[in-house]
Amino acid sequence: DAGVIQSPRHEVTEMGQEVTLRCKPISGHNSLFWYRQTMMRGLELLIYFNNNVPIDDSGMPEDRFSAKMPNASFSTLKIQPSEPRDSAVYFCASSLLRDSEAFFGQGTRLTVV
Amino acid sequence: GNSVTQMEGPVTLSEEAFLTINCTYTATGYPSLFWYVQYPGEGLQLLLKATKADDKGSNKGFEATYRKETTSFHLEKGSVQVSDSAVYFCALSRGAGANNLFFGTGTRLTVIP
Repeated sequence: DAGVIQSPRHEVTEMGQEVTLRCKPISGHNSLFWYRQTMMRGLELLIYFNNNVPIDDSGMPEDRFSAKMPNASFSTLKIQPSEPRDSAVYFCASSLLRDSEAFFGQGTRLTVV
Repeated sequence: GNSVTQMEGPVTLSEEAFLTINCTYTATGYPSLFWYVQYPGEGLQLLLKATKADDKGSNKGFEATYRKETTSFHLEKGSVQVSDSAVYFCALSRGAGANNLFFGTGTRLTVIP
């Protein structure tokens, strides 16, 4: 089992550029979650999907952030335009059902300069 | 509201030393409590959990007891190994899914030979 796969592992970009983070959940899992981890705020849930449908995006910090899940095996988190304060580690997680154990990817470390 | 407070790190111990990482929580009702571990370069993994007061979660020699009277869920291990070096996160949830998880800020443990 490959687990949750995120790409890229590291991303360095200039302020104002568009950034796209990618996630492949575990096959058969119906729920997908995007988290952001910073020193100041710890781990925060940004958005989660159930059966490819966004259920709760109240954690998305602002309109510059958007997430999509076009099919059961792929999701993207996009930041446009990016800002230095978006620098963080972004985790994707998936679970079989909404309330079952979540499995996390290795994360994408984003640095916006 | 829901929140988790865990002891500041980093923690450095010698191999075979006793480990305690403190965690206290604030929550309405009766949450489930979790410890997650993040090994270098990897995503978060569920280490142990407890779903009701006085439950003890255990795994890989680690233990934590759900103490409602002190709203605590301290992580302990009697004899740490170098391979235990990681970041440990305390979390609470009203359900098991990642959409309900509230994480602490994490405690980095380094075990030296």
